[in-house]
Formats: sequence, C-alpha cells, structure tokens
Amino acid sequence: GAVVSQHPSRVICKSGTSVKIECRSLDFQATTMFWYRQFPKQSLMLMATSNEGSKATYEQGVEKDKFLINHASLTLSTLTVTSAHPEDSSFYICSARDPTGVVEQFFGPGTRLTVL
Amino acid sequence: AQSVTQLGSHVSVSEGALVLLRCNYSSSVPPYLFWYVQYPNQGLQLLLKYTTGATLVKGINGFEAEFKKSETSFHLTKPSAHMSDAAEYFCAVSSVSGGGADGLTFGKGTHLIIQP
Repeated sequence: GAVVSQHPSRVICKSGTSVKIECRSLDFQATTMFWYRQFPKQSLMLMATSNEGSKATYEQGVEKDKFLINHASLTLSTLTVTSAHPEDSSFYICSARDPTGVVEQFFGPGTRLTVL
Repeated sequence: AQSVTQLGSHVSVSEGALVLLRCNYSSSVPPYLFWYVQYPNQGLQLLLKYTTGATLVKGINGFEAEFKKSETSFHLTKPSAHMSDAAEYFCAVSSVSGGGADGLTFGKGTHLIIQP
C-alpha cells in the first residue's frame, strides 16, 4: 500500500529558530501533497496545497512567509516553520494525493512540534 | 465553501453496543466523504469513503456509513463496539478539481469512549 513518512516525528526548538519538517511518499510519486495543522484536542486544518515544481497554495489566514513549503521532487515536500514561537506548537500532518485514483489521500504519521 | 459538523464531541457506549457517530456536511458541489480514525499521537487511518455509486459504504473494522443526500448526512455506525474502537473519529469532505482531490475539510472530531 501507499506509505507516507514524516521526519522528524517530534521536535523541540527554542523560540525564534526555524524548523524543517519532511514529508515523503515512499512507494509512489506524489505531484500533490497537503499540509495540515492540528492543535491539541482539535481538528485538522488544511494549511496549504503543495504542488511539485510550482508554488504552494495557502489557505486563507496561513502566513506563507512563516510556513515555507518546498515540493522539489515527486517524493518529497518540506514545511519550514520560520522564526517559530510557542503559538506554533502543534501537530503537523502531511498527506499525499493518490496518483492512481482521484479521491484518496494518504496521510503521514505527523510531527509534534514544541516551541519553548 | 465546504463544512462538516459532527454532533457530539464525546460519545460513550458500552462494549457490544451499537456505535453511531453523526456527521452532516455542506458542499456546493457533489461531495466526497470520508471517515478517519486517529489514535493518540498518531496520524489518520481511513475507515471508509463515499465517492459515487452505492450510498451504503462498508469500511474496515466493521464500520459502515450511509450517504443521505436529502439529509446531507454521512453517519458512521458499527453494530457492536469493541474496546479497541476507543479513539478520535473525524468526518471529512472533499471536492475534486482538475488535478484530483482537493484538500480535506474536517469536522471537529468525536471522541469515542467504550465502557466495559
């Protein structure tokens, strides 16, 4: 089956630093990936759509200069949280669009970011 | 614009009893509907999905859901609850644009508690 991995699974950083999260499709090519954010005990919110070889499309209210997305290859998308602050602490989950079908997405296991 | 409403942030049932988790959606286009399960500190696992065709959809672990267009509902059921079903359940809706499925819009989630 289609597998999506994320690295790291957990990261703790100091306020003001930048953190990069990787999302990889392990056994398929993904031209489109999605990034979601989940605050404690809340639902997932779509942050942006990442398209290989082009600029990401951000949802309303998401700062593109703070959450940098790069989709440089068909198997890798990265999310960089720049100048992180405690309010950025969250669970970040990526997904990759099913290349064989139309509807389904395959989710990564998530990255827990804690900003001190 | 799309939205999902899950009635009841917490649902408690006895082991062996019927599980019913409610989901209503709004969408300006024919929706694609999903139910996901999330265990603590983990990513999402797809339980089932509705795209087109048969409105009663069967998923993994004995779960099923019925798409009712007239009621804009997609409620999740399981005839007999098991202790291992205790988790967070999310209903989600998506549409499809030119390149495939769009990012998902999630409900706020329902925490399912199984009483022994």
